[in-house]
Amino acid sequence: DVKVTQSSRYLVKRTGEKVFLECVQDMDHENMFWYRQDPGLGLRLIYFSYDVKMKEKGDIPEGYSVSREKKERFSLILESASTNQTSMYLCASSSSLGRARSYSNQPQHFGDGTRLSIL
Amino acid sequence: GDSVTQMEGPVTLSEEAFLTINCTYTATGYPSLFWYVQYPGEGLQLLLKATKADDKGSNKGFEATYRKETTSFHLEKGSVQVSDSAVYFCALISGNTPLVFGKGTRLSVIA
Repeated sequence: DVKVTQSSRYLVKRTGEKVFLECVQDMDHENMFWYRQDPGLGLRLIYFSYDVKMKEKGDIPEGYSVSREKKERFSLILESASTNQTSMYLCASSSSLGRARSYSNQPQHFGDGTRLSIL
Repeated sequence: GDSVTQMEGPVTLSEEAFLTINCTYTATGYPSLFWYVQYPGEGLQLLLKATKADDKGSNKGFEATYRKETTSFHLEKGSVQVSDSAVYFCALISGNTPLVFGKGTRLSVIA
């Protein structure tokens, strides 16, 4: 089974701090994703990556950055945390079936999420 | 752009009731369609999928049929259980873009 592991289930940080959320997958997937989940808004894509060192903006990238130095690890960075970034953050990965920059019809596998509170 | 619209919740049912959660989509090309489920305190899990018109996805008693003519992928279960209480997300992949999700429908099943 695919395992996507997020480093923390719960995190509390202060306004202005730099925050790192880590995600690791063990299935050699090319694609990795970061979402935030808010009541009434569903899942919104922040950033995604289709290869090491590659990244693309999703729907709501403002205030975030990402890093993918190794294939199995995808980090989400809040450069200067603000209270409106309090949310549930979900990481996911999927296979491209060997095709570059392809999301194909392969399902995404999700981690259990990190509930982040910014005070 | 591509989008998914699913019925708003919450949906509250008694155990053994019939469940339908409506999902319609707008997409260019021929999307693949998915239902994901999120149990309390957990991430999303793939429930079922369909990759072409008239395909039926099924899993754990849930079913959904890919209807191209009505651009729909409604989720159904004949007899729900308390353990089915969760949030259900309809989603699609079309062309070369990542998953597009609906906003989710919360289901509560009471004994």
